[in-house]
Amino acid sequence: AQKVTQAQTEISVVEKEDVTLDCVYETRDTTYYLFWYKQPPSGELVFLIRRNSFDEQNEISGRYSWNFQKSTSSFNFTITASQVVDSAVYFCALSEADLDDYKLSFGAGTTVTVRA
Amino acid sequence: EPEVTQTPSHQVTQMGQEVILRCVPISNHLYFYWYRQILGQKVEFLVSFYNNEISEKSEIFDDQFSVERPDGSNFTLKIRSTKLEDSAMYFCASRKAGLAGVRYEQYFGPGTRLTVT
Repeated sequence: AQKVTQAQTEISVVEKEDVTLDCVYETRDTTYYLFWYKQPPSGELVFLIRRNSFDEQNEISGRYSWNFQKSTSSFNFTITASQVVDSAVYFCALSEADLDDYKLSFGAGTTVTVRA
Repeated sequence: EPEVTQTPSHQVTQMGQEVILRCVPISNHLYFYWYRQILGQKVEFLVSFYNNEISEKSEIFDDQFSVERPDGSNFTLKIRSTKLEDSAMYFCASRKAGLAGVRYEQYFGPGTRLTVT
């Protein structure tokens, strides 16, 4: 069974539009961590944000913000005022607490294309 | 800013050959990982390594795979006899130890693209 589901495979927007990426996760643990990573066309994986299961406070960091809701097992990510450089594949990932080594389970990714 | 490095960036090999992918994790990190990403697919966990031993491995990580930390800086992934389906991008990652259960993020290297012909 999928632990992390990113239902949106592709999103295309015009520059300056906001983009919201959906992520739904599945876990039996009460303690877990959620992450967003970005994979630009160059291929590397870039860490964006981390959130633990005890902290549902939503935050804004520059043009990034996230909405974590345990009740719906969702961890959505928003890019405000998108730019062409935001074009990338975005992965949501889950780390469960029963594993001390903390492997990441990734979603399938959402490809974001920002057009000028 | 410290970063994870990987060499080579691209490796082409023939089926049945052995390959070694190399990684230099961030120096004060204690946990090391290999992931792979088949073209166009999601990133999959292969193996985690801590205190000089494997702590977990996935179903993908069969007897053809091995990892080693031969010295204080390198972390290697060896595929003994490559198959066509091993063609993928292989990412190394590392993270520092967490205090009081904090799970710090993993930092990924740029990847090695392995092509098996």
